[in-house]
Amino acid sequence: GAGVSQSPSNKVTEKGKDVELRCDPISGHTALYWYRQSLGQGLEFLIYFQGNSAPDKSGLPSDRFSAERTGGSVSTLTIQRTQQEDSAVYLCASSDSASGIIGELFFGEGSRLTVL
Amino acid sequence: AQSVTQLGSHVSVSEGALVLLRCNYSSSVPPYLFWYVQYPNQGLQLLLKYTSAATLVKGINGFEAEFKKSETSFHLTKPSAHMSDAAEYFCAVNTGRRALTFGSGTRLQVQP
Repeated sequence: GAGVSQSPSNKVTEKGKDVELRCDPISGHTALYWYRQSLGQGLEFLIYFQGNSAPDKSGLPSDRFSAERTGGSVSTLTIQRTQQEDSAVYLCASSDSASGIIGELFFGEGSRLTVL
Repeated sequence: AQSVTQLGSHVSVSEGALVLLRCNYSSSVPPYLFWYVQYPNQGLQLLLKYTSAATLVKGINGFEAEFKKSETSFHLTKPSAHMSDAAEYFCAVNTGRRALTFGSGTRLQVQP
């Protein structure tokens, strides 16, 4: 597709359930990022993938959060045993190598997660 | 360490008035600085960026920002607000780390 695609766009789940959020980056983009946007907050960095390098997981808030990127393309963010404080919009972004270094990211529309 | 502070979570201006959204950064090395805009129910898109070339940067939709090292600022301005400018604006910094650090955002309202 032409842009970054995220699914689902909305997810409502019960506390304690696991959820998976998917991101399909722009074709050819080697870098992929996950951010979390909570109500009234800025964007919180979660994890960054660049090519075949080990991902930068320094932003993951707890071990309930994990992400993988298969084949250097699609990425899945998994949240286990969801808590109410996990409710947020999860944004995925991608970039090519050069643009990513200087911060020109292309964002998807986000996946809104609501934990009841 | 790198960080940005956006002063004012909400700014309201009249249509046709000057828009000024404030951003101050903290960085131990020369930064790259960015403004992103998020329209309702959409992802973020790049408005403009400073990458150590000209200190006055022009972006899309008539916005511009000036890098002032002495003030550690990168404020966003537009001479005349339009109703379509209503959105949330995020300042961001990158100092060579592998991910942008974003500010908390400023929601711009434009009154008719």
